[in-house]
Amino acid sequence: GIQVEQSPPDLILQEGANSTLRCNFSDSVNNLQWFHQNPWGQLINLFYIPSGTKQNGRLSATTVATERYSLLYISSSQTTDSGVYFCFLTSGTYKYIFGTGTRLKVLA
Amino acid sequence: NAGVTQTPKFQVLKTGQSMTLQCAQDMNHNSMYWYRQDPGMGLRLIYYSASEGTTDKGEVPNGYNVSRLNKREFSLRLESAAPSQTSVYFCASSALREYLNEQFFGPGTRLTVL
Repeated sequence: GIQVEQSPPDLILQEGANSTLRCNFSDSVNNLQWFHQNPWGQLINLFYIPSGTKQNGRLSATTVATERYSLLYISSSQTTDSGVYFCFLTSGTYKYIFGTGTRLKVLA
Repeated sequence: NAGVTQTPKFQVLKTGQSMTLQCAQDMNHNSMYWYRQDPGMGLRLIYYSASEGTTDKGEVPNGYNVSRLNKREFSLRLESAAPSQTSVYFCASSALREYLNEQFFGPGTRLTVL
């Protein structure tokens, strides 16, 4: 089946720093989303981005489906950005897969 | 517009007990899903319902049953709970075409089986 790998697995930043999170996948995808799971466990939709580039405030994402990766950019990080970031994708018919996650901690 | 709601928020069971987790969405979505998240891991699909009246197994269906009660509601039942089913359970829904649309998640149910 399709493999999904996220990097880095862990990241510690000082408040105000920028970061890039990566999601690599091994097969073509129909759908790709980025989620932030906050320290209370809530899953927050960040982007629905099967291809192309989107921006929302300090966050932006790019998916290059032909090269099988997606990037999530966080600029001017804040402590509230802490948590785990997941990419989630759908491949083929009814295959829904979460990535391994990047655990981010932003220090004040 | 509450989105996806789940009840209960927390539950503790003893081994062998049964329970049903409830999920409802008010976004008029066709497709609904149940996932589980074990500590330090991503979510894994248990069952899904592409449309009202249909259900299918996901990656980890053993020990669970589901019912798509109507378009709004999708329940997950544990007939005989086991400690291995201790997890956080998330329900999700998506519109129109199940694999071409964004999924929206509920707040989760934290289940402990002793």
